[in-house]
Amino acid sequence: DVKVTQSSRYLVKRTGEKVFLECVQDMDHENMFWYRQDPGLGLRLIYFSYDVKMKEKGDIPEGYSVSREKKERFSLILESASTNQTSMYLCASSPPGQGTHEQYFGPGTRLTVT
Amino acid sequence: GQSLEQPSEVTAVEGAIVQINCTYQTSGFYGLSWYQQHDGGAPTFLSYNALDGLEETGRFSSFLSRSDSYGYLLLQELQMKDSASYFCAVRDLNSGYSTLTFGKGTMLLVSP
Repeated sequence: DVKVTQSSRYLVKRTGEKVFLECVQDMDHENMFWYRQDPGLGLRLIYFSYDVKMKEKGDIPEGYSVSREKKERFSLILESASTNQTSMYLCASSPPGQGTHEQYFGPGTRLTVT
Repeated sequence: GQSLEQPSEVTAVEGAIVQINCTYQTSGFYGLSWYQQHDGGAPTFLSYNALDGLEETGRFSSFLSRSDSYGYLLLQELQMKDSASYFCAVRDLNSGYSTLTFGKGTMLLVSP
């Protein structure tokens, strides 16, 4: 059974803290993605990675960075958390190219920044 | 840029058929995916259309018309467990790499 896991289901952080969200997949997928989901806005792509040590900005990268040191792991970093980054964060993985249409999602991390 | 339009909410009764529409505007188009998300759960893949026509997977079918930039998800023999949010997503190119752009989602409420 394919699996994408995220380090925390719920996280509460203070404004200005550095926050790390971890994602691990066991499907040997090349592509990994970070989205945030907010009510009424759907899923918005923050960053994606198509290979180890490679990254590309998505639609809303401001305030975020990412790291992919190993194929199975993709980390999202909030350098200095702000209240407008309170959201549900979803990680996903997929095969490359045409396989991108079928993404496998983790359970999500609900981050609250106070 | 890309934009997708789908209704925010649809209601139906058990056993009925419901259609969720999706129209899109995108600079590049390679296909339309559909995802289901139950409240508190992760999105799960339902179907994908790269070419015009109807794709059937059990009770669910998905249709695409590329000339009309339009697709729909058809759910038949509705069950209570089908109450969820449904997202359409366009597969396109971002910096030369394949990504998905999601619509804002349609909440389907199935009543007894």
